[in-house]
Amino acid sequence: DTEVTQTPKHLVMGMTNKKSLKCEQHMGHRAMYWYKQKAKKPPELMFVYSYEKLSINESVPSRFSPECPNSSLLNLHLHALQPEDSALYLCASSQDWTGGNQPQHFGDGTRLSIL
Amino acid sequence: RKEVEQDPGPFNVPEGATVAFNCTYSNSASQSFFWYRQDCRKEPKLLMSVYSSGNEDGRFTAQLNRASQYISLLIRDSKLSDSATYLCVVVTGGFKTIFGAGTRLFVKA
Repeated sequence: DTEVTQTPKHLVMGMTNKKSLKCEQHMGHRAMYWYKQKAKKPPELMFVYSYEKLSINESVPSRFSPECPNSSLLNLHLHALQPEDSALYLCASSQDWTGGNQPQHFGDGTRLSIL
Repeated sequence: RKEVEQDPGPFNVPEGATVAFNCTYSNSASQSFFWYRQDCRKEPKLLMSVYSSGNEDGRFTAQLNRASQYISLLIRDSKLSDSATYLCVVVTGGFKTIFGAGTRLFVKA
């Protein structure tokens, strides 16, 4: 069982809907990540939070809005998505970056379909 | 040139075979390196971290060559359960994480 929990597992939404993806970890990790993965492609980094502050935004369109309410939770707010945004969205966490070689642990993802 | 490049797949090997994957990276400032495996429609799972001194975990051996900017993974005595996609991961600046495209491995009985 993964120690990073993502909800929902599946989400179907229209292009005008607003929805949120949620991620939770209780490993005491201080870095959390959002990735997007299309079929037969590797995960692509979207956002990184470190100590609840946004550290990296990989030029992600503003229709994706991340939020880190506390060190255990990470949300991804979705609004006015496009069909090409259909993908598997993965959350990950790591202890922090200090000292390097801190592996990331992944949740099992939210499979998102945009109609 | 892609920032992280992996051997093209797929690799089809019989049980018991030894198979090696390579991965090259372009940013010499990269700090951390990992191998993950991903099964179909599942999340990536950490296989092992990769250290400059090389490291081994059972049938798996990982190597890092900073001078040539490549990492490798060796799997000995392949099992059917090793069939998966193997992803090399390179981290720069503490958090910027880039996955290689992945190499698909099929182990056959």
